[in-house]
Amino acid sequence: DAEITQSPRHKITETGRQVTLACHQTWNHNNMFWYRQDLGHGLRLIHYSYGVHDTNKGEVSDGYSVSRSNTEDLPLTLESAASSQTSVYFCASSDSNYGYTFGSGTRLTVV
Amino acid sequence: AQSVTQPDIHITVSEGASLELRCNYSYGATPYLFWYVQSPGQGLQLLLKYFSGDTLVQGIKGFEAEFKRSQSSFNLRKPSVHWSDAAEYFCAVGADNYGQNFVFGPGTRLSVLP
Repeated sequence: DAEITQSPRHKITETGRQVTLACHQTWNHNNMFWYRQDLGHGLRLIHYSYGVHDTNKGEVSDGYSVSRSNTEDLPLTLESAASSQTSVYFCASSDSNYGYTFGSGTRLTVV
Repeated sequence: AQSVTQPDIHITVSEGASLELRCNYSYGATPYLFWYVQSPGQGLQLLLKYFSGDTLVQGIKGFEAEFKRSQSSFNLRKPSVHWSDAAEYFCAVGADNYGQNFVFGPGTRLSVLP
C-alpha cells in the first residue's frame, strides 16, 4: 500500500545545530508540503513543492529550507535550530484525485 | 485572506450524546471545506469534504457536516459519540483539495466521558 513516512518520530537537539527531518511518500504525488503544529495555531505551512526541483515558501518559512531532488522525498532542514522551532512537524502529499495524505509527524524539541 | 475559526477549544461530552463542533470561515470565493481528525500521536485523517452540491455531506465514522453559505459555517455533527471519537478535530478551507492554500483552524479537542 502507498504511504507517507516521516523520520525520526521524536528528536531532541541543541540550539544552533542543523537538523534535517525526513519525509518519504510512495503515492507518486507531485505535491508535497511541510507544516508545523503548535497549540492554538492549528497547522501552519512552512514550505511546499509541486514537483522535482520546485520549492516554495509558506507562511512560516524563516529558518527552514527544503530541497526536492526526486518525487518521493522532501527533507526539511532547520539551518540553526532555535527554541521557537520546538514543535510537531507534519509532512503531507497530495493530488487532485485523492487530496491530502499526512504523515504521522515528528516531534522536535530544541533545548 | 482566508481564515478559519473554531470557537470551542475543548468540548466534553458523554458517550452516546450528540456532538456538534463549530467551524466558521472567511473566504472570497466558493471554498473547498474539510474536516480532519487527529488521534494522539497520529497524523491527520480526512473525515469529510465539501466542494459543491448537496450542502449536507456524509463522512467516515458516522460524521456529517452542513455547509451554510449565509453563515459562513461548516459545522461537524455526530448523533451518538463513541469513546473512540476522543481526538482533536480540525476544520480547513482551501481553493481546491490539493494545493498550498489550505488554511487550518486552531482545532477543537474532544473528550468523551464514559
